Amino acid sequence: QTVVTQEPSFSVSPGGTVTLTCGLSSGSVSINHQPSWLQQTPGQTPRTLIYSTNTRLTRSSGVPDRFSGSILGNKLALTITGAQADDECEYYCLLYIGSGIWMFGGGTKLTV
Amino acid sequence: EVQLVESGGGLVQPGGSLRLSCGASGLTFNNHWMGWVRQAPGKGLEWVANIKQDGSAKYYVDSVKGRFTISRDNAQSSQYLQMASLRVEDTAVYYCVQWGHIDNWHRLDLWGRGTLVTVSS
Repeated sequence: QTVVTQEPSFSVSPGGTVTLTCGLSSGSVSINHQPSWLQQTPGQTPRTLIYSTNTRLTRSSGVPDRFSGSILGNKLALTITGAQADDECEYYCLLYIGSGIWMFGGGTKLTV
Repeated sequence: EVQLVESGGGLVQPGGSLRLSCGASGLTFNNHWMGWVRQAPGKGLEWVANIKQDGSAKYYVDSVKGRFTISRDNAQSSQYLQMASLRVEDTAVYYCVQWGHIDNWHRLDLWGRGTLVTVSS
């Protein structure tokens, strides 16, 4: 049973930098998992912040450049540089597991 | 305006059935994979099912296989989720989602506002 893992919660000071991670129980996360990061503010529908192409992770249109995605070691990472109060919400990673199956991580509740 | 609008949610008893619908506007519906994502009250997101542009491929999370059926009508720019043998644990807001892609790399581009399904006796 594949599990996608995220930190349940994280805290960052306003203006600070935080890196959230997303791991895969079956091994390393790679670009072939078509990884993406989604943000969900309370009471709102999620939106995709970061998505992948065959070569890199990139921001969705309109997403501030303080958000960046990367593969760090064997995990997917979301780094927020200069965190703002508006960034306080839930963050989810989404991975393609294979055979048509997708899986979300459990979400990280970020406190700023 | 580009939007997805769900309907069909409601209260149903365990073992019952429900059919969710999702209408799309403002987008070229038959260019996109479509799907459903759900979120139980106070919980995280769970991918439920996807359907290919022409309906020739359908995929499901294990927990709904054999009970849920995804379908689409490109002429009506609509997709559906037929849910049967519903369980209490299926209680969730169900979101209609549209996938975007660059080559074979996919991402969730558009979400509906969701429709609440409550399974309870």
